Amino acid sequence: KQEVTQIPAALSVPEGENLVLNCSFTDSAIYNLQWFRQDPGKGLTSLLLIQSSQREQTSGRLNASLDKSSGRSTLYIAASQPGDSATYLCAVSPHGSSNTGKLIFGQGTTLQVKP
Amino acid sequence: DGGITQSPKYLFRKEGQNVTLSCEQNLNHDAMYWYRQDPGQGLRLIYYSQIVNDFQKGDIAEGYSVSREKKESFPLTVTSAQKNPTAFYLCASSIVQGPRRNQPQHFGDGTRLSIL
Repeated sequence: KQEVTQIPAALSVPEGENLVLNCSFTDSAIYNLQWFRQDPGKGLTSLLLIQSSQREQTSGRLNASLDKSSGRSTLYIAASQPGDSATYLCAVSPHGSSNTGKLIFGQGTTLQVKP
Repeated sequence: DGGITQSPKYLFRKEGQNVTLSCEQNLNHDAMYWYRQDPGQGLRLIYYSQIVNDFQKGDIAEGYSVSREKKESFPLTVTSAQKNPTAFYLCASSIVQGPRRNQPQHFGDGTRLSIL
């Protein structure tokens, strides 16, 4: 059974610091991996989607990498800002679920960026 | 402006009562999903539907029911059989057929359900 783990559960950094959030998964047979952002009391906003055949995706100050063989993904945030404070969730789409879109989520990392 | 609308934002349930959470999307997505989120936890899948008039159980379907009579709508009923319903409920949609299918899921803003 696929399991997704995110460490650490919480992270606090000063503004301007570069940081890395980690996501690991137990079964390398995935269709894609997605990173989402969640603000308190809100729904999820998609940040990046990496196909199983890709190694990384970039959007602005965000870069996500995927290493299927080791079951790991990282989300790199450059020059962090207080507005980046939120919970970041990683989710994998298991292989064979391309026609269902099912996702398995990690528990999330809550990030606080201090001014 | 396309999106997903969940209502109500807050809902209170009495003992033995069934309550229904609404989810409507105008994105023309074929698939819709219901997730439950507990404090400090990730999302767990309750039910999903790939097409109108069809739906499948997710990982934690017990005590919940759904219907998919229209493409735009996927209401979730929390029945009295669900003994611990207090949670944040999120609805999502995506495209699962055709060349646009490998896109991220879109989420509503959630409904927070509490027991009176």
